[in-house]
Amino acid sequence: DTGVSQDPRHKITKRGQNVTFRCDPISEHNRLYWYRQTLGQGPEFLTYFQNEAQLEKSRLLSDRFSAERPKGSFSTLEIQRTEQGDSAMYLCASSLGPGANVLTFGAGSRLTVL
Amino acid sequence: RKEVEQDPGPFNVPEGATVAFNCTYSNSASQSFFWYRQDCRKEPKLLMSVYSSGNEDGRFTAQLNRASQYISLLIRDSKLSDSATYLCVVNPTGTASKLTFGTGTRLQVTL
Repeated sequence: DTGVSQDPRHKITKRGQNVTFRCDPISEHNRLYWYRQTLGQGPEFLTYFQNEAQLEKSRLLSDRFSAERPKGSFSTLEIQRTEQGDSAMYLCASSLGPGANVLTFGAGSRLTVL
Repeated sequence: RKEVEQDPGPFNVPEGATVAFNCTYSNSASQSFFWYRQDCRKEPKLLMSVYSSGNEDGRFTAQLNRASQYISLLIRDSKLSDSATYLCVVNPTGTASKLTFGTGTRLQVTL
């Protein structure tokens, strides 16, 4: 296992289109997180999963955003009707679970909305 | 008030210098503290955890002051390869439900 994988690495789309990002966590990690990072800012928490259960969602996650982790392994983050303000780096991270504070991040999926 | 606040910098220091970053957090009940490092256009990576008694890892020393709610990172004998953004990170609940990141402090080490 080589770490957390994210796909695609870059996505350019037109406003109003839907986009989907995929994250494959480290295999033995049962917690998976999505963060968003814009230029000059630190990562902002969006949501996290314990196995297949989505346990917390940030109020940053509007109804245009949906995340799933159907089998407790990989996760997808979908953004519907993209807006220019959605342009950011979407980072996925995983950890071993409760009490394990350290996050291992993937390289991120950079979204540009034109 | 932001949950985690840092001076964004940049801090420009010559090689061999000692540099210190501070960070303040707003939630007095916060349980765990970390410094992550992020290179340009890369993902954040854990640099070190921060313990109440203070801890050291080579040239890096981290301190926590719970009474004043601040965390510090000291880098001694700076190297060119230390140039990066240093993110102060707080876990407000201690259950790893989420980590809260500061905006980061950019360090540029020069010849």
